[in-house]
Amino acid sequence: KNEVEQSPQNLTAQEGEFITINCSYSVGISALHWLQQHPGGGIVSLFMLSSGKKKHGRLIATINIQEKHSSLHITASHPRDSAVYICAVSADKLIFGTGTRLQVFP
Amino acid sequence: NAGVTQTPKFRVLKTGQSMTLLCAQDMNHEYMYWYRQDPGMGLRLIHYSVGEGTTAKGEVPDGYNVSRLKKQNFLLGLESAAPSQTSVYFCASSPILGEQYFGPGTRLTVT
Repeated sequence: KNEVEQSPQNLTAQEGEFITINCSYSVGISALHWLQQHPGGGIVSLFMLSSGKKKHGRLIATINIQEKHSSLHITASHPRDSAVYICAVSADKLIFGTGTRLQVFP
Repeated sequence: NAGVTQTPKFRVLKTGQSMTLLCAQDMNHEYMYWYRQDPGMGLRLIHYSVGEGTTAKGEVPDGYNVSRLKKQNFLLGLESAAPSQTSVYFCASSPILGEQYFGPGTRLTVT
């Protein structure tokens, strides 16, 4: 069993929809990261959080340490949000999930 | 600032050949990392460094060597390339306990 599980693996949405991507982990962590990988391949860090909630523009990340679960929300989705979203946890090393591929259609 | 840069962007090697991938960062970060990304799998840590002159093994270190002679550079070497090392390689850097900044990646094919 992977130490970091993401769901769903693939997600399609219409422009404007509210999107949620989930991440569950099974190890003790000091922080959780959400990353975005665009079709061109570049990886960008979106959030690093250890408790509560963070917001940046239309993106919101939450974490529940007791339940070992995090969610990434995208409000008013747009085609430019199409990317792979990766959850990673800082344990003794950074452990990555396999990613959620999001496609947003106009 | 250029951030994190990787050289080269693409490379094709024949089995048994050697090569070095260069990662450079201009953010004065202490930590640097080398990952590989394969289809259907998450990023996997090959080696990492917590400071100039130090290196440590990650999850999949076999077949690779690294050096960090200068704080801004982290080199990944393949002494004798194998087809199983066909992958996309990402370098990253971070401040201590901070967010990681990724390079653009190097696509390596070993035939």
